Amino acid sequence: GAVVSQHPSWVICKSGTSVKIECRSLDFQATTMFWYRQFPKQSLMLMATSNEGSKATYEQGVEKDKFLINHASLTLSTLTVTSAHPEDSSFYICSARDNLGSNEKLFFGSGTQLSVL
Amino acid sequence: GENVEQHPSTLSVQEGDSAVIKCTYSDSASNYFPWYKQELGKRPQLIIDIRSNVGEKKDQRIAVTLNKTAKHFSLHITETQPEDSAVYFCAAPGGTSYGKLTFGQGTILTVHP
Repeated sequence: GAVVSQHPSWVICKSGTSVKIECRSLDFQATTMFWYRQFPKQSLMLMATSNEGSKATYEQGVEKDKFLINHASLTLSTLTVTSAHPEDSSFYICSARDNLGSNEKLFFGSGTQLSVL
Repeated sequence: GENVEQHPSTLSVQEGDSAVIKCTYSDSASNYFPWYKQELGKRPQLIIDIRSNVGEKKDQRIAVTLNKTAKHFSLHITETQPEDSAVYFCAAPGGTSYGKLTFGQGTILTVHP
């Protein structure tokens, strides 16, 4: 089955530093990937849609200069949380759709727990 | 955009009982309705999905029903087991870009042995 790898699985950083999270589709190509944020006991909130070779589309209220997304290949999208602050602490999770898939099925990465001190 | 409402927020059942979780959606253009199971700290796992051209789909102990007229769909789990305990999310795509999903608020299901 389709596998999405996400790294790191957890990261602790100091306030003001930047953190990069990688999302890779291992056995399929994904023109489109999605980045979600999930606070404890809450739902997945879409942050942005990552498009290979073009700019990401951000959801309302999400700062594009704070959450930098790069989707340089059909198998890799990265999310960089710039100048992280404690309020950015959350579970970040990516998902990808198989280009050759015939439906809207999404495959999720394992998530990254970010803790900003 | 799409708005998805999910109920109940928590559900507690005895092992062997059935569990039903309901979702409503707002965008009549939505045509694909997945259900995900998420265990604590792990990725959501697709457990079943349904397209708008059918009213019901079943996979062993799990079934999903869809009422397009009323714009609601439900997850049914029969003969629940303790390992079914998790958070369940419904989702709908609306009429937006391919693969973009709006998730419901989630239901914490607890199955007591």
